[in-house]
Amino acid sequence: LAKTTQPISMDSYEGQEVNITCSHNNIATNDYITWYQQFPSQGPRFIIQGYKTKVTNEVASLFIPADRKSSTLSLPRVSLSDTAVYYCPYRGYQKVTFGTGTKLQVIP
Amino acid sequence: DAMVIQNPRYQVTQFGKPVTLSCSQTLNHNVMYWYQQKSSQAPKLLFHYYDKDFNNEADTPDNFQSRRPNTSFCFLDIRSPGLGDAAMYLCATSRVGGRNGYTFGSGTRLTVV
Repeated sequence: LAKTTQPISMDSYEGQEVNITCSHNNIATNDYITWYQQFPSQGPRFIIQGYKTKVTNEVASLFIPADRKSSTLSLPRVSLSDTAVYYCPYRGYQKVTFGTGTKLQVIP
Repeated sequence: DAMVIQNPRYQVTQFGKPVTLSCSQTLNHNVMYWYQQKSSQAPKLLFHYYDKDFNNEADTPDNFQSRRPNTSFCFLDIRSPGLGDAAMYLCATSRVGGRNGYTFGSGTRLTVV
């Protein structure tokens, strides 16, 4: 069963850079890799996507190696407001399947 | 701002009493999705519409149905809610292929009493 795998939880102090890695089993050749952020009692929010190498936006950076079997979401200098669950869902045809996600707790 | 709007934000229904949750979008996206998210779990896809074409997930109970009368609106009908159906229900939209990600609404939290 095609799926993604990521750590269940991570803790980080404020101001540190946080890297969350996801493994992508059976990723299709033409699939983009996407990451979402979800705060309690809200819907997930799309934050970044990439196909290969590195992508950066105002929120995060995404690193994808040449074999595309994994990806790393990098959050620079996290703050308390970055405490959330981060998902790297599996993308199938016309649908996205969410795995367990990584619960990031930022500590003062 | 273009967005996905879900109403109501909170819904309380009685055990076995039909309930309808609604979702509207101003993004003009072709695809609309309904996810169920229970406490401390990941969102679980129930079904999606690609334009008027309905696609049900194999493990979605028959108790859950959906309607999409036009591009902007999509409804989730729960015919006979049970206690186990208490959850957050999330509506999302995307362009075909979802290449720029999905846009989610804020969700409707359903309580069954």
